[in-house]
Order: sequence, then structure tokens, then C-alpha cells
Amino acid sequence: DQQVKQNSPSLSVQEGRISILNCDYTNSMFDYFLWYKKYPAEGPTFLISISSIKDKNEDGRFTVFLNKSAKHLSLHIVPSQPGDSAVYFCAARLINTNAGKSTFGDGTTLTVKP
Amino acid sequence: DAGITQSPRYKITETGRQVTLMCHQTWSHSYMFWYRQDLGHGLRLIYYSAAADITDKGEVPDGYVVSRSKTENFPLTLESATRSQTSVYFCASSEVTGELFFGEGSRLTVL
Repeated sequence: DQQVKQNSPSLSVQEGRISILNCDYTNSMFDYFLWYKKYPAEGPTFLISISSIKDKNEDGRFTVFLNKSAKHLSLHIVPSQPGDSAVYFCAARLINTNAGKSTFGDGTTLTVKP
Repeated sequence: DAGITQSPRYKITETGRQVTLMCHQTWSHSYMFWYRQDLGHGLRLIYYSAAADITDKGEVPDGYVVSRSKTENFPLTLESATRSQTSVYFCASSEVTGELFFGEGSRLTVL
């Protein structure tokens, strides 16, 4: 059973608008969540993270929201830019484990149209 | 340059052959990882290492062998490659609680 799910395989938005990428998880023992961005033919790169003790973390145009009761997190990109077009992976870490031992979702391909 | 380097970037082999994917990091991170990514799917952990000479299985370890004699190197060996091991393999490193730093990936095709 997949513990981290990104139910939207793809998302298309217009440049300048908001992009919202969603992620659901099932294991209540996850305590740390990360988002990675991946361009074609490159390795994923870390984007932003959030601890389960917080409900929001912001870094420039990127904000991650965590709703623990719903076991749901979302990544907001405002404003979206064409360079944001990439695959975004949500990842979750079990409590007291290294963040590298994360469980990944299948990814959402974001396309930002000029 | 600092970072993680993987080699080879592309490899084609035949069923039953042994293949080794190399991974080298210059950050002196304690942890190193091997993930595989299959088309349309997320990353699945194969093996990881918390320090030199300490390795442990991840989610999908069958058919793979790892070693870590030096902190900076973490090779992944497919002892007898199968078609199901056709994938893109990513090596990564991290500090104790931090995010992953990935290499550029090794695309392996098993015919």
C-alpha cells in the first residue's frame, strides 16, 4: 500500500498564477516532509521541507502547508514561472530516522505556460 | 567540483551480467543512499549506509549488493542483471537529519 500519494500526475498553469501541488500520506508516524524538484536527465534537488510541529513553511515563492489531521500537505508556488516546469516529488520521513530514508510519492509534472 | 558524481551515466548490459554503478561524494556526508526510479513512479530506496562499513537494506534490495569501505564511495552492484532492473539509479547523500543531495543518475538498460 502506497504510504505517500500524489494523486495528480500532472498540472498545467499559466505563468504568474499560483501552482498548488498536493500530497497525501497514510502513516501517522511520519514527522518530517520534504519536496524535491526534478528536471529531465538530472537528479532531484531539495526544494523545501516542513516538520510535523509546524503547519506552514515559506521560502520565497514556495510555501508548504501541512494539515496533520487530514494527513495532507501542499506546495504552493506563487507566482509560477516557466522555469518551475519540472516533476515535483513529495517525500515523508518516519520519526527518528534519517531524512534520506524517506518514502516518495510518484511525482507531479508541473508545466508552467508562458 | 564538490557534490555527488555517478558513473557511468548510461549503461546497456545483457541479462545475467554483473554491473557496478559507482558513486562518489565530496561533502563527507555520513549517509549515502541508492534509489531507483522507474518510469512514472517515485523513488524507491534500495540500500543505504550510515557510515563506512555500515550498510542496510531499503525497500527493494533483492538482486543488489553494496559496500562502503570509504566514506566518500558507495558502489552498487547488480550481481546478475535482470530486465526488471532496467531503471534510472540515483545515488544520494545527506547529513544525519538533513535533506538528500542527489547525483545526476545512471540510466541502466538490461537487454
